Amino acid sequence: GENVEQHPSTLSVQEGDSAVIKCTYSDSASNYFPWYKQELGKRPQLIIDIRSNVGEKKDQRIAVTLNKTAKHFSLHITETQPEDSAVYFCAATVYNNNDMRFGAGTRLTVKP
Amino acid sequence: GAGVSQSPSNKVTEKGKDVELRCDPISGHTALYWYRQSLGQGLEFLIYFQGNSAPDKSGLPSDRFSAERTGGSVSTLTIQRTQQEDSAVYLCASSPTPLGQGPGELFFGEGSRLTVL
Repeated sequence: GENVEQHPSTLSVQEGDSAVIKCTYSDSASNYFPWYKQELGKRPQLIIDIRSNVGEKKDQRIAVTLNKTAKHFSLHITETQPEDSAVYFCAATVYNNNDMRFGAGTRLTVKP
Repeated sequence: GAGVSQSPSNKVTEKGKDVELRCDPISGHTALYWYRQSLGQGLEFLIYFQGNSAPDKSGLPSDRFSAERTGGSVSTLTIQRTQQEDSAVYLCASSPTPLGQGPGELFFGEGSRLTVL
């Protein structure tokens, strides 16, 4: 099955700075890459996703980039705010497979 | 229901006992997943059900773990002869996407926190 590695495991930034979280995957057939956010004590929720026919996708302050050749994708958060503090999980899967495997997570702390 | 429902929310058991965790997915969702999240750790895939197809059990950590999904809806995760390392939050998620149309958004339950003494 797919193996997803995520870095860094923890990330601390000052409010207003940007944050970048990177993931690599092993299966070249993977073509769907979602990102989930888990706030403390809450359930994970989808924040953005990208398919392999697209190199970049943006949604307000959040963007995801994909490099299929290198088999890595990244989450970019600009103008970070304290409410962005959470654990972020990346995942990779083959679109018609439904088998969703997650990275180990990144704990983001945004200091006011 | 409005969302994925899991029960119990908390379970404390003694080492060696069996436990059952229940997941009631969103009505109409064909895909159902179980994940394990140990304290401060990531989402460890356990098992996946899609409609009436045979489940993907590749993530189950040992033969003490089993799961079933009756009637394509409610799922039960059973852990036999529990060990202390089984202590974790067990998360269930469902997705509306039928097989072949790709993974849709996963909707997670609140989780069942299992503590094995």
